[in-house]
Amino acid sequence: AQSVAQPEDQVNVAEGNPLTVKCTYSVSGNPYLFWYVQYPNRGLQFLLKYITGDNLVKGSYGFEAEFNKSQTSFHLKKPSALVSDSALYFCAVRDMMNRDDKIIFGKGTRLHILP
Amino acid sequence: DTEVTQTPKHLVMGMTNKKSLKCEQHMGHRAMYWYKQKAKKPPELMFVYSYEKLSINESVPSRFSPECPNSSLLNLHLHALQPEDSALYLCASSQAGNTAEQYFGPGTRLTVT
Repeated sequence: AQSVAQPEDQVNVAEGNPLTVKCTYSVSGNPYLFWYVQYPNRGLQFLLKYITGDNLVKGSYGFEAEFNKSQTSFHLKKPSALVSDSALYFCAVRDMMNRDDKIIFGKGTRLHILP
Repeated sequence: DTEVTQTPKHLVMGMTNKKSLKCEQHMGHRAMYWYKQKAKKPPELMFVYSYEKLSINESVPSRFSPECPNSSLLNLHLHALQPEDSALYLCASSQAGNTAEQYFGPGTRLTVT
C-alpha cells in the first residue's frame, strides 16, 4: 500500500528566510512524487515532481524539492520565502508498480509567511 | 492552454434537487478526475475516467453519477444529496500514465440545504 505523511499541520516562516515543508512516503516499488499548492478558494496547482534522475527537482515560483531514497523523504524548499507563498501545500505519491491513475495526497501543511 | 474550467462556481441545492457539475479541458488529456474536498483537508478521489471509460469508482454513493461525454468534458450528476455532501468539488485532468501531474480546475463550492 502507498501512503504519504506531512508531519506538520502548519509551518511559520519569516519573509526572506528559507522554508522547508516536510513530506515522507511509503510505497512498495519506486515512488513518483508530487507537490501541489492550494490558495484559498482555489483548485490545486502543480509545483513540481520527481520521477527519476537528479534528486534535486526545481519547480514553479522558485520552489525545489529533494528526493532522499534512504530517508523516504521529499521535502519542499525555497531559499527565500515571500508573503505570497502563504498557502496550503500537499505532497502526493504514486507507486510505480500501480497501473491505475490514483494519486495519494498527504493531509496538507499550511505555510504561513510572516511579513 | 493549461486550464481546466468548472461550472458553476457555486451551487446551492435542496436535498430533492437534481443538478449537474461540469468540467472541461482542452489540453488533450485522456484521464479526468472528480475529487471532493472538505475544508482544510486533502482532496478525496471519487472517480477516474481514462480514455473516456470509468476506471476508478472509490465506492461513491449512487446519488453521485459521473459522465464523460467526450475526451474534453466531464460531468457529475447530483441527485438527492445530503447536507454532509456539502464541499468543494474539484475536477482534474492529466496525461494518461502514472508519471503525469494533474491539472485542477478552480472547483465548484456545493452547499446542500
